[in-house]
Amino acid sequence: DAGVTQSPTHLIKTRGQQVTLRCSPISGHKSVSWYQQVLGQGPQFIFQYYEKEERGRGNFPDRFSARQFPNYSSELNVNALLLGDSALYLCASSLSPGLAPEAFFGQGTRLTVV
Amino acid sequence: AQTVTQSQPEMSVQEAETVTLSCTYDTSENNYYLFWYKQPPSRQMILVIRQEAYKQQNATENRFSVNFQKAAKSFSLKISDSQLGDTAMYFCAFALGGGSNYKLTFGKGTLLTVNP
Repeated sequence: DAGVTQSPTHLIKTRGQQVTLRCSPISGHKSVSWYQQVLGQGPQFIFQYYEKEERGRGNFPDRFSARQFPNYSSELNVNALLLGDSALYLCASSLSPGLAPEAFFGQGTRLTVV
Repeated sequence: AQTVTQSQPEMSVQEAETVTLSCTYDTSENNYYLFWYKQPPSRQMILVIRQEAYKQQNATENRFSVNFQKAAKSFSLKISDSQLGDTAMYFCAFALGGGSNYKLTFGKGTLLTVNP
């Protein structure tokens, strides 16, 4: 079975640009969460989506947005990129929030803002 | 708000020996889960072990076991018979249970190096 897949694996963007990151969850998983991992730190929660609805949001500015599609895949959008947005962005999928709390992670997208 | 603290930024161990990684957390809730994740240089976070707060028995997975002390809010990971492939960042994580959404709160991690 395929695990959580994220694309692209690496990305370089210029300050002020916009970026879209994509995630496909494990088959059968209906919940997708996004995390930002700055170098040397643990991941920080950005969003959780379940059944196409936002179920949780971390302490991130409105420049960050996300959505989930009918096939449960998800996109994370970041507008007006700042140098501080440079990080590894991790997507995690789980069966459903609160039911089976194990989160399975993809390999992440390394975003560099120059 | 929940917090997770890992007080050991780096640790090293000789191959085949045992090492214990420390984690403390803070919460006022009773229904929660604790996890240890491993992140090798490949970047993918891999679930090592999980513990439900309502279970008194410590979780074990092959060479990995935890010492869960609920009153002390402590959740340490013991790795027995360390192998070179255990070299990675290890993150302790917390999640509330039973809700309509849940998020993982991570510690800052411990870099474990297994030496030959």
